[in-house]
Formats: sequence, structure tokens, C-alpha cells
Amino acid sequence: DADVTQTPRNRITKTGKRIMLECSQTKGHDRMYWYRQDPGLGLRLIYYSFDVKDINKGEISDGYSVSRQAQAKFSLSLESAIPNQTALYFCATSETGARDGYTFGSGTRLTVV
Amino acid sequence: GENVEQHPSTLSVQEGDSAVIKCTYSDSASNYFPWYKQELGKGPQLIIDIRSNVGEKKDQRIAVTLNKTAKHFSLHITETQPEDSAVYFCAASIQRALNFGKGTSLLVTP
Repeated sequence: DADVTQTPRNRITKTGKRIMLECSQTKGHDRMYWYRQDPGLGLRLIYYSFDVKDINKGEISDGYSVSRQAQAKFSLSLESAIPNQTALYFCATSETGARDGYTFGSGTRLTVV
Repeated sequence: GENVEQHPSTLSVQEGDSAVIKCTYSDSASNYFPWYKQELGKGPQLIIDIRSNVGEKKDQRIAVTLNKTAKHFSLHITETQPEDSAVYFCAASIQRALNFGKGTSLLVTP
């Protein structure tokens, strides 16, 4: 099994719908992150969490919310999806935050029509 | 916040040649600089990293150099092979998370 598992792998949804992307990890890491990847824009930070009670906004958090249900689970929600949220979404974990490498999931490709 | 610039956005080399990707960062407090390789349909994978107390690090055909004064770091791949074709991302630490460059699409042609 993968260390960081994202579900679903692909999703098509309609404008205005609520959608949740899920991430679970078996690394035992406290720190988890959600990034968004768009062509030509690289990876941009949406939210990050250093433990269950520590949730922080990244540079592009508007239109998104997160839930850290347990150390191993970190979900990203789009309350009312819009077409410009069409992107590839990655969850990542790390042991010590911005001082060591991340382990990424395989991504969720989301299309909002 | 931290701004990470990466160049070039695309790079095409012949098999066996070297490839160099360069990044600059803005926050002088950044102290960790990883490089990731992303193959089609997969998440980015860490290939090498360097910390601010080191100027150069090498791992087989891959090396990274860091110039803290100029605030830039580079990835060097020697003797490139077709399987090196991928998108490469640099990153720099910003307090509690990493800030990524926009990526370089590397194509190694046989």
C-alpha cells in the first residue's frame, strides 16, 4: 500500500456542488499539507496542519476548507465548486515540517464543469 | 512571503549530455532546499535536498549547489538518460511549509 493515499484519483463535478478530497497516510507523520497544481503555476499551498488541533491557511485557501480527523487523515473540501478550481490536488506529509522532504500522494484530478 | 523562481520552464537535451536547472529565492531565512521529480500521472518525489550550511551535495548523477549570498541554488544532472525525462520542481522552506518553483519540463532525447 502507498504511504500517502488520496481518494478519489479522478473526479468530475458540477459547478456549485460540494466535494471532499480525502488523504490518509501510514507514515506516522504529524504534518500534512494540501497543494494544488496547475500547468505553468507549479504547486501552491492551500492548507497545512501540524497536528489535529493545528490548522493553517496557505497562499490560496479561499474557497477551500479542511478537516484533520485524525493524525493519519486530512480532508480537503470545496464547499461550492467553481470551474477555476479544476486542477490536480496533492496531499503531502512530512516529519518535521519545512526542514525535511515531503512524501506526496498520487494526486486527485478534479474537473469542475 | 517566499518567492521561488525557477528557470528554464522547458529543457531539451540529448542523451548523455548534462542538464542544469536554476532557482532563486527571496527569503534569506530559508534554510532547506529540496528538489522533486514528477513523472506523468504521479506525485512529486524527492530526489535530492540541501541545507543552508552546505554548499554542494552529490548523489550519483545528480548534484545540487547552493549560493546563499546570491540566494540561488541549482540542480545538475550529468550523463542524462531518457528516464530522466520528467518535470522537476525546486522548493525553499518558508517558516512552516515549502514554497515551490513553477517547474521545469525536462526532455531527454535518445
